[in-house]
Amino acid sequence: DAKTTQPTSMDCAEGRAANLPCNHSTISGNEYVYWYRQIHSQGPQYIIHGLKNNETNEMASLIITEDRKSSTLILPHATLRDTAVYYCIVRAYGGSQGNLIFGKGTKLSVKP
Amino acid sequence: NAGVTQTPKFQVLKTGQSMTLQCAQDMNHEYMSWYRQDPGMGLRLIHYSVGAGITDQGEVPNGYNVSRSTTEDFPLRLLSAAPSQTSVYFCASSYGGFSGANVLTFGAGSRLTVL
Repeated sequence: DAKTTQPTSMDCAEGRAANLPCNHSTISGNEYVYWYRQIHSQGPQYIIHGLKNNETNEMASLIITEDRKSSTLILPHATLRDTAVYYCIVRAYGGSQGNLIFGKGTKLSVKP
Repeated sequence: NAGVTQTPKFQVLKTGQSMTLQCAQDMNHEYMSWYRQDPGMGLRLIHYSVGAGITDQGEVPNGYNVSRSTTEDFPLRLLSAAPSQTSVYFCASSYGGFSGANVLTFGAGSRLTVL
């Protein structure tokens, strides 16, 4: 399975864009990139996922490089409520590889 | 919709006791799974199920049993609790499981302490 590398922690000013990087240099052609976040001790929350095209939804944007070896999650206007641990996960469709494997993620602190 | 409901939210056990963590979802999701999360760690997969009557082991299955007799329920059983099983347990479900996007919906968690 492909592995991901994320910074341990990041800070962001409230109202500014938060850009969270993720490296997945060994990603396979059939593996998608997923982002989840976990606020305090709550259950993780799905944010967005993509294969190779950039994706956007009401929560965030996902930018995947052309070689697919890295991606960036963008929270366009971070608020204090976006303070959380953000997990970048790569996963293939089908079979036991379909399980999501969580790493330690990036702790994002949004500051006033 | 209630989503994914876990009970109990908190539980204290003594070493050697048994208990069952309950997980129920009302979204008709085929895929369900159990994770544990230890302090400062990511989530680790314990067991998962791709449908009623089908279960399989995840990354850390030892000490835990599961069954899936209905689509809605996926209980996690600790047969003989050990202090190493002190953790927060999360149940998750998704529609389509492996055949689809597997976007997980998580429960609120069950915090277990084994003395």
